[in-house]
Amino acid sequence: DTEVTQTPKHLVMGMTNKKSLKCEQHMGHRAMYWYKQKAKKPPELMFVYSYEKLSINESVPSRFSPECPNSSLLNLHLHALQPEDSALYLCASSQERTGGSYGYTFGSGTRLTVV
Amino acid sequence: GQNIDQPTEMTATEGAIVQINCTYQTSGFNGLFWYQQHAGEAPTFLSYNVLDGLEEKGRFSSFLSRSKGYSYLLLKELQMKDSASYLCAVRDINNNNDMRFGAGTRLTVKP
Repeated sequence: DTEVTQTPKHLVMGMTNKKSLKCEQHMGHRAMYWYKQKAKKPPELMFVYSYEKLSINESVPSRFSPECPNSSLLNLHLHALQPEDSALYLCASSQERTGGSYGYTFGSGTRLTVV
Repeated sequence: GQNIDQPTEMTATEGAIVQINCTYQTSGFNGLFWYQQHAGEAPTFLSYNVLDGLEEKGRFSSFLSRSKGYSYLLLKELQMKDSASYLCAVRDINNNNDMRFGAGTRLTVKP
């Protein structure tokens, strides 16, 4: 299995809703990442987990809450989002934090729309 | 911080060759990656350079000059399916070895 699987593929939520994005990989990678990508912009790093521990938070608002239940799973819990949070949310993983010579493997993303 | 610059858009003809440039400034360079991203899809890995020179992979090649802070991605025998965004990403040892992306170059291949 050489894939990163993200669910759901599309999500529409209201500003008062609570929802979660899920990411799963079975490649034995020990580092996992959440990126946010707005249209025609580069992916922006939000969170990094290394060996199931949060090692960096790029000053992301608290309405985004990551969770790493085990080495294969990564969640992003969403609460009280704003319309400007609408974006493609990408999960990625790598063998180690450094990424080696293959960089990261990305999931296909969750297209989030906040209404 | 890091500055990673790429042209915003390029257009080329099917069957031709196109070169996409990337310039960067980092304090602790530790590798440069090129990714392809079709609209609304995940970035997919194309190439990796950490030493100066040219890396060739089929129709795609990538070049790096660390002293100039410069890389390019060369696409040969262009096909319509090559229409996509091409993202240059740099890894910086002084930035937790995390990968930072340039804004991407949107390539349109025309018949």
